[in-house]
Amino acid sequence: QQQVKQSPQSLIVQKGGISIINCAYENTAFDYFPWYQQFPGKGPALLIAIRPDVSEKKEGRFTISFNKSAKQFSLHIMDSQPGDSATYFCAALNDYKLSFGAGTTVTVRA
Amino acid sequence: GAGVSQSPRYKVAKRGQDVALRCDPISGHVSLFWYQQALGQGPEFLTYFQNEAQLDKSGLPSDRFFAERPEGSVSTLKIQRTQQEDSAVYLCASSPTESYGYTFGSGTRLTVV
Repeated sequence: QQQVKQSPQSLIVQKGGISIINCAYENTAFDYFPWYQQFPGKGPALLIAIRPDVSEKKEGRFTISFNKSAKQFSLHIMDSQPGDSATYFCAALNDYKLSFGAGTTVTVRA
Repeated sequence: GAGVSQSPRYKVAKRGQDVALRCDPISGHVSLFWYQQALGQGPEFLTYFQNEAQLDKSGLPSDRFFAERPEGSVSTLKIQRTQQEDSAVYLCASSPTESYGYTFGSGTRLTVV
């Protein structure tokens, strides 16, 4: 069964807007939570990651918010650009094994 | 090389054929992983190597799937007697350590007809 639940399945945002993607997990053994960006025909590329002892991490226009007690985390993409149009996956790591969400396709309209 | 290289990029196989998918990890990366990504889904773990040792093969869907990394560098994922449900993108990733810092290749898209 899917260990990481991701929503929404897709979203459309205007250029300059904010994209928000949410994920939830059950397994408290997860100790590292990366987000991946995937373009068609390419493999997932690491975007940003957070450990559970941190509540927020920001890198440029990308911010992860992490709520350990609720077992939820989210990705915010600020000032969305057409080049951000891609599929985004949240993931969670236990030992060496990554469990991925089902993905969110983000479309940024110019 | 600069990244994880996978070949072929695309493979069409007739049902029942055997296929072999190759992965060249980043030089010096100890850990190597194979994932399967069905259309419209997130990748799912297949197997994990540390150097030449296959430490976890719990994600391999059936005994038709076999992976090896004989010299601790290049890895091959072999699928015997392919079935339609094997159609997917097969992703290889490598890492300098046991975890964190995964780098994925672009994958091999396998279509079984």
